[in-house]
Amino acid sequence: AQTVTQSQPEMSVQEAETVTLSCTYDTSENNYYLFWYKQPPSRQMILVIRQEAYKQQNATENRFSVNFQKAAKSFSLKISDSQLGDTAMYFCAFGEGNAGNMLTFGGGTRLMVKP
Amino acid sequence: EAGVAQSPRYKIIEKRQSVAFWCNPISGHATLYWYQQILGQGPKLLIQFQNNGVVDDSQLPKDRFSAERLKGVDSTLKIQPAKLEDSAVYLCASSPTSGRLLRDEQFFGPGTRLTVL
Repeated sequence: AQTVTQSQPEMSVQEAETVTLSCTYDTSENNYYLFWYKQPPSRQMILVIRQEAYKQQNATENRFSVNFQKAAKSFSLKISDSQLGDTAMYFCAFGEGNAGNMLTFGGGTRLMVKP
Repeated sequence: EAGVAQSPRYKIIEKRQSVAFWCNPISGHATLYWYQQILGQGPKLLIQFQNNGVVDDSQLPKDRFSAERLKGVDSTLKIQPAKLEDSAVYLCASSPTSGRLLRDEQFFGPGTRLTVL
């Protein structure tokens, strides 16, 4: 079974600065996808960014980018120019290519952006 | 486009009682998921439907949990009888196509917060 580990339960960052959230996973599969989801306080969980394992190029979505290290099974999320609206729980998730669209989530990192 | 709808938003029950949650996915989405999110943890998949068929229910405690998706649209998740450890947020999500394309984004509802006393 796949496992996803987020080793930082809580983090904080000053507004406009950069922060990196860590995620490691364990799998023997070659075909998989990785995701970062954001869950703001009392609001729906939304997708931030996704990465296909077969792609070497790191995914980027505006202020959000990932550092995907396949050999190390590491998938970190970098948030640049942090904004107050980035305050949320962030979940790293793993999806196996041969298992439909089932996701395994990590335990989450609570990010607080301070003014 | 309307999002995933869930009701009720909050529910408090005594242990050994029964409870049901309802989910209406985004119109046209073929795949529907129920997750259990215990406080301080990430969501755990309970069951996945594709249209009105079950794709995976390996993590559903079938002695007390049941779910159905009649006509491949709305879905209901039931717990009978509830235990203290069932206290959690129950999230419903849907994705547009067959659910076998991992690049399909899952769209989440607001969740139902269940407290079992």
